[in-house]
Amino acid sequence: AQKVTQAQTEISVVEKEDVTLDCVYETRDTTYYLFWYKQPPSGELVFLIRRNSFDEQNEISGRYSWNFQKSTSSFNFTITASQVVDSAVYFCALSEGSDFGNEKLTFGTGTRLTIIP
Amino acid sequence: DAGVIQSPRHEVTEMGQEVTLRCKPISGHNSLFWYRQTMMRGLELLIYFNNNVPIDDSGMPEDRFSAKMPNASFSTLKIQPSEPRDSAVYFCASSLVRTMNTEAFFGQGTRLTVV
Repeated sequence: AQKVTQAQTEISVVEKEDVTLDCVYETRDTTYYLFWYKQPPSGELVFLIRRNSFDEQNEISGRYSWNFQKSTSSFNFTITASQVVDSAVYFCALSEGSDFGNEKLTFGTGTRLTIIP
Repeated sequence: DAGVIQSPRHEVTEMGQEVTLRCKPISGHNSLFWYRQTMMRGLELLIYFNNNVPIDDSGMPEDRFSAKMPNASFSTLKIQPSEPRDSAVYFCASSLVRTMNTEAFFGQGTRLTVV
């Protein structure tokens, strides 16, 4: 069975600090997909990134970067120079490969990030 | 692109009443998902459809819950009769499944309160 663990329930940092959100996953499949979603106070779920299990390259998008390490089953998310607008709950999620492609997402419990002005 | 559209955004109903949540997926997407978010259980998948066919409904809590997708542009999630423990935010999501896994795009959710 697949599982996603986000051990950090809440994090608070002062604006402009860097912050890393941890995500550890468990799966028996060799083909799987990892995701990060953002849930701002307004409540919607916003897609941030998708990674497949065969691509371990780290990715950077503006102030966001992701570190995928299969050896430790981790897919960590770093925000550089944090801003108040980054305050949200962040979810890491996993789906296993299937004939239908994007099958069900298993979500972690989320990390509530608060950026203090 | 209008994104995934859910209605209503908020629903308050009395215990025992029937509740119907609606979802319009992104045009051209062929997979649709219903998720529920609660404080206790987090985000959990209830059911998903591929090409309008239910593929996995193992997350549907009990027979009071049913979901339909009569066509590619519309889905409903019905709870009958509703109970206070059904209070949650219900999200609909859609994706385009081709040969590789793709991301799911979520609607804004329906906040259901059963009193």
